[in-house]
Amino acid sequence: GAGVSQTPSNKVTEKGKYVELRCDPISGHTALYWYRQSLGQGPEFLIYFQGTGAADDSGLPNDRFFAVRPEGSVSTLKIQRTERGDSAVYLCASSLTSGGSRETQYFGPGTRLLVL
Amino acid sequence: AQSVTQPDIHITVSEGASLELRCNYSYGATPYLFWYVQSPGQGLQLLLKYFSGDTLVQGIKGFEAEFKRSQSSFNLRKPSVHWSDAAEYFCAVGNNNAGNMLTFGGGTRLMVKP
Repeated sequence: GAGVSQTPSNKVTEKGKYVELRCDPISGHTALYWYRQSLGQGPEFLIYFQGTGAADDSGLPNDRFFAVRPEGSVSTLKIQRTERGDSAVYLCASSLTSGGSRETQYFGPGTRLLVL
Repeated sequence: AQSVTQPDIHITVSEGASLELRCNYSYGATPYLFWYVQSPGQGLQLLLKYFSGDTLVQGIKGFEAEFKRSQSSFNLRKPSVHWSDAAEYFCAVGNNNAGNMLTFGGGTRLMVKP
């Protein structure tokens, strides 16, 4: 079946602009996660949704970052006033339930964001 | 707080040789441990995971990993590497007290010589 999909695959923007990154989880998965992977590093947790609500947003670096999941399926990560330091690959993952971190998280291919 | 260290940034092995990738974690209780592989342009793919029980776990693609509590390690092994195994490998840790988040190591890039 279809895996996690993310659009766009690449995004180039200018410093100060606003960007939206989209994630389509695996159908039926109730939990959705966003991670950020900077060059040469492992993914870092940003936010986790259970259904429509953000159950844990402790990884969001500052208030320029915001994410929504209005219907409990597709999620959008929004970054305001982008900075060069926001350049990274943004990964989305989903899991069937919210059974803690025992649940296997299935990752999408990521969106590579470059802020000039 | 939980953390993961992968001491080797790059490893090069010859095709057909054995492989061991190191992973050390920091967490007070029994962690949940994972190994993921990331190929260029691909998403992270789960190789194997450990929650409890038998400390030697088998995964996909012929990989296995052994949980050693005394050494806080969860090293990944493969007896005979194939050229298609060239990729980046990430060890990750989770636990009941950290909700659903995974904490990843910095990754090890594996190169395979013909």
